[in-house]
Amino acid sequence: GQQLNQSPQSMFIQEGEDVSMNCTSSSIFNTWLWYKQEPGEGPVLLIALYKAGELTSNGRLTAQFGITRKDSFLNISASIPSDVGIYFCAGQLVQGAQKLVFGQGTRLTINP
Amino acid sequence: GAVVSQHPSRVICKSGTSVKIECRSLDFQATTMFWYRQFPKQSLMLMATSNEGSKATYEQGVEKDKFLINHASLTLSTLTVTSAHPEDSSFYICSARENTVNTEAFFGQGTRLTVV
Repeated sequence: GQQLNQSPQSMFIQEGEDVSMNCTSSSIFNTWLWYKQEPGEGPVLLIALYKAGELTSNGRLTAQFGITRKDSFLNISASIPSDVGIYFCAGQLVQGAQKLVFGQGTRLTINP
Repeated sequence: GAVVSQHPSRVICKSGTSVKIECRSLDFQATTMFWYRQFPKQSLMLMATSNEGSKATYEQGVEKDKFLINHASLTLSTLTVTSAHPEDSSFYICSARENTVNTEAFFGQGTRLTVV
């Protein structure tokens, strides 16, 4: 089936550093979503992207929908302790069903 | 964003019994709801997609007779794990979306099922 390759799998950074993670696929997607999940909770939507090339910000978070429609990145600037969690990308295929395809997740750990 | 409420958040049951998990959309009508299963340190695995008033569409490898899904109204879907076994212990998460142009799906808080 379709896969989203998300990297890195984990990140260990110092508080205040910037973070970058991305998702790539061999398939074309018409929607990219970025979620954050904390332990024992469901994922929370951070940013939704609908157009190729679209760049969207949500506070210190910025995400872009790749021009090829096969990739997306998420940046977090000036990380703080509450940014700790697992970040997932998810995409909806152009010709696909309603369901989302999820990346494997990026586990972010921040050293104070 | 929209609110999706999942209940219970934790449940412990004996092997052989059945457990029902509810997923409600609180401030919107959810035409479509999704049920996922998540193992520790892994991504979400889609189990099934349910549309209000119709039978759920199960992903390959998911037993429809074991994981019963009902989506009888636009605000409620239920997942029943029948004859639960310890290997069914997992984190189950639902999500819901409106039938609008935007395709965001909003997630419930998840249910930690432990079968003993």
